[in-house]
Amino acid sequence: EPEVTQTPSHQVTQMGQEVILRCVPISNHLYFYWYRQILGQKVEFLVSFYNNEISEKSEIFDDQFSVERPDGSNFTLKIRSTKLEDSAMYFCASSDRNVNEQFFGPGTRLTVL
Amino acid sequence: EDQVTQSPEALRLQEGESSSLNCSYTVSGLRGLFWYRQDPGKGPEFLFTLYSAGEEKEKERLKATLTKKESFLHITAPKPEDSATYLCAVRGGGADGLTFGKGTHLIIQP
Repeated sequence: EPEVTQTPSHQVTQMGQEVILRCVPISNHLYFYWYRQILGQKVEFLVSFYNNEISEKSEIFDDQFSVERPDGSNFTLKIRSTKLEDSAMYFCASSDRNVNEQFFGPGTRLTVL
Repeated sequence: EDQVTQSPEALRLQEGESSSLNCSYTVSGLRGLFWYRQDPGKGPEFLFTLYSAGEEKEKERLKATLTKKESFLHITAPKPEDSATYLCAVRGGGADGLTFGKGTHLIIQP
């Protein structure tokens, strides 16, 4: 069964450093998303991406965040200068049509020291 | 602003003891209500999508129902492997992102 994959599973970084989180969405899906979940809190939407551009972003997704689809399979989230409060699980998701269910990856646990 | 409230926050049941989880929502133009299961340290696993009031979906011991203001996830004769956090999420009109509730942490004791 096709699934979303994410790497790395755990990333530890120093405050102020740049990190790139990687995702491989399900192969025939066209819509891609990033969410985050701070420990003990809700899953929160960050950004959606379709046709090589951002289609929606939340208030959390400020100028320090960016997304990219560098090739036909990968989808990345970059955080330019990490802060302590960026520590969270980051989930990638994909869907095959804009109104259908979103399938989530296993997540990357980001720890900012 | 779309909002989702789930209750109870936590629920402990004996194996075989049926119960229901509640998801109350407010949304502008519902484009889907979604139920996910999340195991510790893992990503949400899709269970159901409901689109309109009166709709019901079933999968094994789980049944999801929808009204104009809330959804229920009914679990019948649960087993220990049903232990997880169950998340409810909505998608409103014009939005791509899902709005999640905090979830119900369900523990099924053998």
